[in-house]
Amino acid sequence: EDQVTQSPEALRLQEGESSSLNCSYTVSGLRGLFWYRQDPGKGPEFLFTLYSAGEEKEKERLKATLTKKESFLHITAPKPEDSATYLCAVQHTGGFKTIFGAGTRLFVKA
Amino acid sequence: DAGVTQSPTHLIKTRGQQVTLRCSPKSGHDTVSWYQQALGQGPQFIFQYYEEEERQRGNFPDRFSGHQFPNYSSELNVNALLLGDSALYLCASSGTGDRETQYFGPGTRLLVL
Repeated sequence: EDQVTQSPEALRLQEGESSSLNCSYTVSGLRGLFWYRQDPGKGPEFLFTLYSAGEEKEKERLKATLTKKESFLHITAPKPEDSATYLCAVQHTGGFKTIFGAGTRLFVKA
Repeated sequence: DAGVTQSPTHLIKTRGQQVTLRCSPKSGHDTVSWYQQALGQGPQFIFQYYEEEERQRGNFPDRFSGHQFPNYSSELNVNALLLGDSALYLCASSGTGDRETQYFGPGTRLLVL
């Protein structure tokens, strides 16, 4: 069965302290892996789509990477405004269903 | 460029009642998916609509139904509401070009008492 597991559940960083969030996935055939940011009470905001192992994408302080088993979201020199829940999701090649992980709650302290 | 819009933003219903939630997709998008998100959890896929047909469905009972209109907007209907249906309901749209990437609306917060 397709599954997405995110770790850690919560992460507390000091401003400027770089770190990585992990997304492990099990899927029969990967159509795409997605990263979203979600602020409390709001809809997820799209960050990245990755399609194949070895692919990397960057946006400001964020960089997403993909292997055959997992994806990492690297946050470089985070700021308090980066505090949010980061969601990872996958789609498999056999359908149109998107499966989400439970998310990593990131807290960045000034 | 208008993003995905949803209405209403908040809703309070009583057990056993029925509710209809509405979604307008991002301009240029023709596919709409609905998700249920409980507090502290990731979104759970309910179903996806394309060309006015339900294309795929998640593990949700038949009390959850939907519709897509010719202008690609969509409705989610939930009958016989249960307390456990209280959640944030999210609509996401996708379209030509990058069909896999979905863009989400702000959600409708449903509370069932």
